[in-house]
Amino acid sequence: DVKVTQSSRYLVKRTGEKVFLECVQDMDHENMFWYRQDPGLGLRLIYFSYDVKMKEKGDIPEGYSVSREKKERFSLILESASTNQTSMYLCATEGSTTDTQYFGPGTRLTVL
Amino acid sequence: DAKTTQPPSMDCAEGRAANLPCNHSTISGNEYVYWYRQIHSQGPQYIIHGLKNNETNEMASLIITEDRKSSTLILPHATLRDTAVYYCIVRVATDNAGNMLTFGGGTRLMVKP
Repeated sequence: DVKVTQSSRYLVKRTGEKVFLECVQDMDHENMFWYRQDPGLGLRLIYFSYDVKMKEKGDIPEGYSVSREKKERFSLILESASTNQTSMYLCATEGSTTDTQYFGPGTRLTVL
Repeated sequence: DAKTTQPPSMDCAEGRAANLPCNHSTISGNEYVYWYRQIHSQGPQYIIHGLKNNETNEMASLIITEDRKSSTLILPHATLRDTAVYYCIVRVATDNAGNMLTFGGGTRLMVKP
């Protein structure tokens, strides 16, 4: 079974803080994704990575950066958190020869 | 990716089969039908996918019509833990490009005792 873990289920931060969200997968998948999910807006792609040190912007990259130093780990960084970044953050992985994305449990981030 | 249409909500009695329909009339020949579900405050969970043949796994069965314009996800013996939002998606088979998933409104399935 694919296992995708995220560093926190719930996180509360203050405006202006630097926030790190980490995602780890154990299936040797090449592709990893960060989405955010908001009521009425569905899933929106922030960034994805198709290999170590490779990254591509998704639909809403502003205010975020990512890091992929190891294949199994993909980090999302909020350089200076703002209240409009309060959301559910979802990490997903996908192998290059499979068609299925597997999601982590999600991190519900609240920025005060 | 083709658009899908699902009923916004359904109820099912515990222990009975839950049949969740999805219309995808504009599906292309190389697009798969995927089903995910999302239990409240959790990440989406992959259930099953198929191209044109019916598929079954330990979680569910997927019935795709011969013209591929619609499909039905069947949970054979629904339990209270199957209460969730179920998303039907159509997407092209992988091209290594890391295609993002797009969820529509989904069907909110309520399993009742």
